[in-house]
Amino acid sequence: RKEVEQDPGPFNVPEGATVAFNCTYSNSASQSFFWYRQDCRKEPKLLMSVYSSGNEDGRFTAQLNRASQYISLLIRDSKLSDSATYLCAVKGGATNKLIFGTGTLLAVQP
Amino acid sequence: GAGVSQSPSNKVTEKGKDVELRCDPISGHTALYWYRQSLGQGLEFLIYFQGNSAPDKSGLPSDRFSAERTGGSVSTLTIQRTQQEDSAVYLCASRTDSAGYTFGSGTRLTVV
Repeated sequence: RKEVEQDPGPFNVPEGATVAFNCTYSNSASQSFFWYRQDCRKEPKLLMSVYSSGNEDGRFTAQLNRASQYISLLIRDSKLSDSATYLCAVKGGATNKLIFGTGTLLAVQP
Repeated sequence: GAGVSQSPSNKVTEKGKDVELRCDPISGHTALYWYRQSLGQGLEFLIYFQGNSAPDKSGLPSDRFSAERTGGSVSTLTIQRTQQEDSAVYLCASRTDSAGYTFGSGTRLTVV
């Protein structure tokens, strides 16, 4: 079983839609959680960290469920410019390695 | 520099040759990571340097892969006797304890 798992998608949604991604992790000792965005042929860029109480940044909301060992990302009122691959990443336990999921491809359609 | 710098940006090499990939982290960042991303795949962890501690090499796929970090700054990833399955984008990232991870734009390696 992979340490971090994501649905690869693609998620094809119309502009204005709300879309949610989930990511599960296997190491219960994990301490830090992140969502990254990666555009085609570009490097990943940090979208937001995920805090235990959940956090919001504009149209983006991230949540952590430690009991079920998953994190989620909600995008409201999606824009064409949101089209990208969204990668979750998990760090901690006995190591400082940042382990990535395989990413979920989002395509927002006009 | 303002960001993580990697060179070369593209490298085409013949099967069996050795290659060296370079990463210049953000000044003051104590931790440096190497990842590999194959076409359509996620990021595969390779190796992690933290200050003067022994590196975490647990992700290196074979003994053909090695990495060094000199003076706590620049890092070089070396792949010996390259194989076609080594073709991928090799990404470097750095961070401080208080900062998130910042990635370089990567080296696209093609083994022909």
